[in-house]
Amino acid sequence: DAGVIQSPRHEVTEMGQEVTLRCKPISGHDYLFWYRQTMMRGLELLIYFNNNVPIDDSGMPEDRFSAKMPNASFSTLKIQPSEPRDSAVYFCASSWALGVRETQYFGPGTRLLVL
Amino acid sequence: SQKIEQNSEALNIQEGKTATLTCNYTNYSPAYLQWYRQDPGRGPVFLLLIRENEKEKRKERLKVTFDTTLKQSLFHITASQPADSATYLCALRYSGAGSYQLTFGKGTKLSVIP
Repeated sequence: DAGVIQSPRHEVTEMGQEVTLRCKPISGHDYLFWYRQTMMRGLELLIYFNNNVPIDDSGMPEDRFSAKMPNASFSTLKIQPSEPRDSAVYFCASSWALGVRETQYFGPGTRLLVL
Repeated sequence: SQKIEQNSEALNIQEGKTATLTCNYTNYSPAYLQWYRQDPGRGPVFLLLIRENEKEKRKERLKVTFDTTLKQSLFHITASQPADSATYLCALRYSGAGSYQLTFGKGTKLSVIP
């Protein structure tokens, strides 16, 4: 397996524009997570899915953020409109289980810069 | 709210020595604790998981301890090598939470000097 795939790897956009980040989890993994990493706040969970269903989106900062998982092999994280404070590295991770058998596999991340 | 502190932002150590990284937490004891390694420009990579009822876990040159009385986990790398240089993150999963939350510390950047 190629691991978790994210695209794009880098994104530079202007404030107010829509940004869409994409993720392909590892095949067979039932859980998918979206994280955001900044120097100030570290790695924060935004939302996670189980079998394509959003379970907890309490980490989504505000209504400008939305995430979807239309099928088991694809998820998107959308920011509309984007703001400079959204600049961060966004990671997608997947896992086949939660709990003590859990191992999260992270993608390479998308480095987002909003000007 | 839960708070996780990793002892320092950066740690420099001589090759061959044992590196010890600290993860402290407040409030509730976690159900389990994980350690991840993150290299620049890459996503975190899972290393070890230790449960609340386990005192110690080992994997090759890595050792993790978990002291629920002190609310602390120690992460040791023995016979450290320059290739061990990376940022190490601890993450805690709290039991009894309303929903899943794996809360990460900000990490400690380890540099192993040849």
